[in-house]
Amino acid sequence: GIQVEQSPPDLILQEGANSTLRCNFSDSVNNLQWFHQNPWGQLINLFYIPSGTKQNGRLSATTVATERYSLLYISSSQTTDSGVYFCAGTGAGSYQLTFGKGTKLSVIP
Amino acid sequence: NAGVTQTPKFQVLKTGQSMTLQCAQDMNHEYMSWYRQDPGMGLRLIHYSVGAGITDQGEVPNGYNVSRSTTEDFPLRLLSAAPSQTSVYFCASSYGGGSTEAFFGQGTRLTVV
Repeated sequence: GIQVEQSPPDLILQEGANSTLRCNFSDSVNNLQWFHQNPWGQLINLFYIPSGTKQNGRLSATTVATERYSLLYISSSQTTDSGVYFCAGTGAGSYQLTFGKGTKLSVIP
Repeated sequence: NAGVTQTPKFQVLKTGQSMTLQCAQDMNHEYMSWYRQDPGMGLRLIHYSVGAGITDQGEVPNGYNVSRSTTEDFPLRLLSAAPSQTSVYFCASSYGGGSTEAFFGQGTRLTVV
């Protein structure tokens, strides 16, 4: 199966700062998703983005499928953005969504 | 529209006990799956189903059974709980399997003592 690597593993931001999270995958993917796991453990869908760019409020994501990476941008961060951000992908012909180990984001006031 | 619903949210078991984690979805999705999440790790696939009556093993299937008698429900059975099965369990569903967006339930936090 594919391998998914996320960076950085930990990130501490001052409220209002911007950040970029990166996800590299070892092979081509049919599906690429970004999730936010909040402090209560819920997995919140952020983006379904196998290719291209999407934006949702202060968050945006870009996947460059040919170069096997995806980026998640968080602008004007807020304390409620804290938590763990996961990317996950599905390789060609697979049913398994393979997760990275996540980026733990802490936004401090 | 409830999405993916898991019960219970929390459970404590003694070693050797059995139990069933429930998962139901109301989105008419064909594909359902179970993942476990251990500290410091992403989610790993336990079992999945591509439709009623069809199930298959994922990355970490040992100690777990599944069945899929209806489109809506996909229960996960622990046959004889072990401390190594202490984890958070997530159920997910999607319309068309690997290439479509997956939606997750709220999780079940299981502790085996």
